[in-house]
Amino acid sequence: SYDLTQPLSVSVAPGQTARITCGGNNIGSKNVHWYQQKPGQAPVVVIYRDTKRPSGISERVSGSNSGNTATLTITRAQVGDEADYYCQVWDRNTACRLFGGGTKLTVL
Amino acid sequence: QVQLQESGPGLVKVSQTLSLTCTVSGGSISSGSYYWNWIRQPAGKGLEWIGHIYTTGSPNSGSTNLNPALKSRATISVDTSKNQVSLKLSSVTAADTAVYYCTRADYDDYQLDFWGQGTPVTVSS
Repeated sequence: SYDLTQPLSVSVAPGQTARITCGGNNIGSKNVHWYQQKPGQAPVVVIYRDTKRPSGISERVSGSNSGNTATLTITRAQVGDEADYYCQVWDRNTACRLFGGGTKLTVL
Repeated sequence: QVQLQESGPGLVKVSQTLSLTCTVSGGSISSGSYYWNWIRQPAGKGLEWIGHIYTTGSPNSGSTNLNPALKSRATISVDTSKNQVSLKLSSVTAADTAVYYCTRADYDDYQLDFWGQGTPVTVSS
């Protein structure tokens, strides 16, 4: 089965750059989507198809995807960016939508 | 703007069938081709895809894909007359206790654009 690996947690100081990785075998060949989830709320897509940003999402948020790693980058991190972040792909081999285990971002 | 609202019993007994409904507003299920997904999240844990039904506008029909881990117990269906998508999960155990979300995507490898607020389900003996 296809696995997506994310770090459990990432911690940055306010104003610094946060990078959250999502590892998977040849993930660069897949569409990777990123979701932000704050406590008690449903997830919200913040990056779709590797690099695209939905309207209303801050320009500080960006994505990249190459080789075996996709990365979500948040520049000038703010306390309001604290949340759990999940990467997600569609695995054609198993016809399944897969999520990474999630990364808790702390800004302090 | 499409809105999704999950509903169903918040408490289900062990070994029984969990039944949830997702009511779609702001657009018709029959108005285009979409993937209607169910996602669940146990408390303090990550997201798990349960499956989806792909609808093309034909009344009350669609093709489904299910998580292999749940395939033997899960059923997803659509009722176009009510603009609803349903999930049934049989033979539940405590491990099925979670918040259940209804979501929509335009293609199988596209993002989940629209989410319901989620409905918590507890499985108890």
